[in-house]
Amino acid sequence: AQSVAQPEDQVNVAEGNPLTVKCTYSVSGNPYLFWYVQYPNRGLQFLLKYITGDNLVKGSYGFEAEFNKSQTSFHLKKPSALVSDSALYFCAVRGGGSYIPTFGRGTSLIVHP
Amino acid sequence: DGGITQSPKYLFRKEGQNVTLSCEQNLNHDAMYWYRQDPGQGLRLIYYSQIVNDFQKGDIAEGYSVSREKKESFPLTVTSAQKNPTAFYLCASSPLDRGYGYTFGSGTRLTVV
Repeated sequence: AQSVAQPEDQVNVAEGNPLTVKCTYSVSGNPYLFWYVQYPNRGLQFLLKYITGDNLVKGSYGFEAEFNKSQTSFHLKKPSALVSDSALYFCAVRGGGSYIPTFGRGTSLIVHP
Repeated sequence: DGGITQSPKYLFRKEGQNVTLSCEQNLNHDAMYWYRQDPGQGLRLIYYSQIVNDFQKGDIAEGYSVSREKKESFPLTVTSAQKNPTAFYLCASSPLDRGYGYTFGSGTRLTVV
């Protein structure tokens, strides 16, 4: 079985400060990891993915994520937050022969001016 | 531009009525999915299809039905057997390769009146 946890329902950060949205996973075999962003009343948009290779993955809108195999984590990061980054963020994992990804419950990011 | 289109954006259903949500993609993706999103519960898989004329139940298929007569189309019918249908419904598509993320539609908000 595969699972993903986003331990924070909400993350608050001041504009200009670095942000981190946490994700940990459990899967057998090699993981395929994804981050998505959802703005109000919209569908999810793909941000970035880790399949193999460099542990630091760069994605859209200045976001990046660090894959840590020993800690089974894939935290989303951005060096300098913008108010427009305020949205709901979802982590997802595929692995262990499962074709269907498992999504986390989502983390609401609020960036204060 | 390639993409995935959901319609309508808002839908109101009377008690005992069946309604159908449309999902069309022009990305030439083999797989299509329907998710239900409720506040604080993340995404729950209703049905998915990897090939025309074939589909599988997800975690919460009761009270829903789908068809996949064309590669481009994957409509979802919310039947009167679904006792709590008020939610945000998301359609997605992807290639069959597990290394690819999903492309989501912009969603349909269904409300029971």
